[in-house]
Amino acid sequence: AQSVTQLGSHVSVSEGALVLLRCNYSSSVPPYLFWYVQYPNQGLQLLLKYTTGATLVKGINGFEAQFKKIETSFHLTKPSAHMSDAAEYFCAVSRPYNQGGKLIFGQGTELSVKP
Amino acid sequence: EAGVTQFPSHSVIEKGQTVTLRCDPISGHDNLYWYRRVMGKEIKFLLHFVKESKQDESGMPNNRFLAERTGGTYSTLKVQPAELEDSGVYFCASSVHRGEPNTEAFFGQGTRLTVV
Repeated sequence: AQSVTQLGSHVSVSEGALVLLRCNYSSSVPPYLFWYVQYPNQGLQLLLKYTTGATLVKGINGFEAQFKKIETSFHLTKPSAHMSDAAEYFCAVSRPYNQGGKLIFGQGTELSVKP
Repeated sequence: EAGVTQFPSHSVIEKGQTVTLRCDPISGHDNLYWYRRVMGKEIKFLLHFVKESKQDESGMPNNRFLAERTGGTYSTLKVQPAELEDSGVYFCASSVHRGEPNTEAFFGQGTRLTVV
């Protein structure tokens, strides 16, 4: 079975500060890991993903995430927050595509950015 | 190229009524997924189509929910009769079916269903 836990349903940072959104996963098979973002009144947009290979994954809008197998973590970071980063962020895990590819999501973390 | 489109964007219905949600995937995407987010909870998988075939419907809550994808194009999700606990945001996603492990799923904006 697979599951995802996002630590902190709400995170608030100041503009220019480091963004750190935490995600821990559980998976009995090598996981595929994703971060999605949902801006107000929009659908989910893929930020980045890890399938195999390099454990530091770079995504759009300056975000990156580090896959740590021993810690079972996939935390999302951005060195300097912008006001436009305010949104809800979802960490997700999936099985390999040939097993369906469905996503299992965490509960989401709402990021607020203060001026 | 159009993205994944969902209709309606919002729906308010009374308990016991029927509602049909529609999803138009990206053209050429054989995979179509339905997900649901109940307020305050995580986004949960409902079911997965490959073309017109149901590949996995393990997430469907009960038999009041019926999903179809006639002709392998758009999909509908019918709730009949609706109950209060069916309220939430219903997302649709689609992806190509190339058999690759990292195929990206594209999401629609969701349909916000409120049952009163």
